[in-house]
Amino acid sequence: DAGVTQSPTHLIKTRGQQVTLRCSPKSGHDTVSWYQQALGQGPQFIFQYYEEEERQRGNFPDRFSGHQFPNYSSELNVNALLLGDSALYLCASHDRGRNQPQHFGDGTRLSIL
Amino acid sequence: LAKTTQPISMDSYEGQEVNITCSHNNIATNDYITWYQQFPSQGPRFIIQGYKTKVTNEVASLFIPADRKSSTLSLPRVSLSDTAVYYCLVGPPPQAAGNKLTFGGGTRVLVKP
Repeated sequence: DAGVTQSPTHLIKTRGQQVTLRCSPKSGHDTVSWYQQALGQGPQFIFQYYEEEERQRGNFPDRFSGHQFPNYSSELNVNALLLGDSALYLCASHDRGRNQPQHFGDGTRLSIL
Repeated sequence: LAKTTQPISMDSYEGQEVNITCSHNNIATNDYITWYQQFPSQGPRFIIQGYKTKVTNEVASLFIPADRKSSTLSLPRVSLSDTAVYYCLVGPPPQAAGNKLTFGGGTRVLVKP
């Protein structure tokens, strides 16, 4: 039973470019959340998707957008990349109908040059 | 969401018991207490979750006093591989609306030989 998988594992972009990160939730999970983790800090909530809709959003600009597909997988898109967007981007999933914790993938390390 | 306060770092030795206390004075009635472990360049890994009294699993115990304003994660007989950052989170259960996870800075635990 695969856990949460994210791709790619590493990515290098330059300022102004756009990036798409992908996440496949753990089998049986229907809700996906995205987090940004800067070096030396705890993860910060970006947004959460359930039933293909954004249900809650953290304090991130509109440059950050997402999508959830019918198979529950999700994408995180970031436009007009800034140096400050360099971070580890984490995806977490859970089953909304069960009182169980969120499971995290190992993230995508995004470096902006 | 309730704010949490935990030590920035702790040192221990192999074979010892490590206790990390987290303060959450503003915990809400329906909030759960969840602990995650994170190794470098990996996603957070769920350790244990509780609501009141004591919870024990194969890797840790969680002690929650009656007033629920603090909690203590206990790691028995730590090994070098337990060196990691430990996060205490307080918030609604996963199935609740608005169940984003709010991470603080965590506690860096260093286990020495």
